[in-house]
Amino acid sequence: NAGVTQTPKFQVLKTGQSMTLQCAQDMNHNSMYWYRQDPGMGLRLIYYSASEGTTDKGEVPNGYNVSRLNKREFSLRLESAAPSQTSVYFCASRRGQASNQPQHFGDGTRLSIL
Amino acid sequence: GNSVTQMEGPVTLSEEAFLTINCTYTATGYPSLFWYVQYPGEGLQLLLKATKADDKGSNKGFEATYRKETTSFHLEKGSVQVSDSAVYFCALSGPGEDSNYQLIWGAGTKLIIKP
Repeated sequence: NAGVTQTPKFQVLKTGQSMTLQCAQDMNHNSMYWYRQDPGMGLRLIYYSASEGTTDKGEVPNGYNVSRLNKREFSLRLESAAPSQTSVYFCASRRGQASNQPQHFGDGTRLSIL
Repeated sequence: GNSVTQMEGPVTLSEEAFLTINCTYTATGYPSLFWYVQYPGEGLQLLLKATKADDKGSNKGFEATYRKETTSFHLEKGSVQVSDSAVYFCALSGPGEDSNYQLIWGAGTKLIIKP
């Protein structure tokens, strides 16, 4: 029962470095999401992919890019990391876009930018 | 647009106390409503959901009733345990401006249960 798997779990970067956060789901879900969680800010949607082959911006897309590699995998890339991107990043998946379907979350990637 | 408002935390209770965490929403149409729980160092887990008015979601002793007349989905538990200490998120899913069914999240309520 892997569900949603995120790698890495922890990462420390220097300002200006790049990295890619990986996410994979084994539930055959169509939709996938990237969120960031900051203290006192709740969850904020960065990008989402409603279905394989499509991606759309969420609330806070600046500084990020995404790739929906196939139905299982959805990666998030920081091209030039900034201290403001220090956060906990969560990937989620959902069977489809129907209103009554919940999202399923990974355990998160804790990212620090120095 | 759609929005969710939760009571601010932290909420601190003694073990075996009665719990209520308030959640109200604004939405067009008939959204689905969810409660998620996040334990320290973990991701969010679905706790319960309700998809239409007057539905009651329940799980692990927690309950919430979808009240359309008061646009509320308050989380309750009759007797909390130390292991219930976590952050609780209320969320709704309904059509947004782009017609996609995104989840709209409350800010989260931290619950602390003391032995």
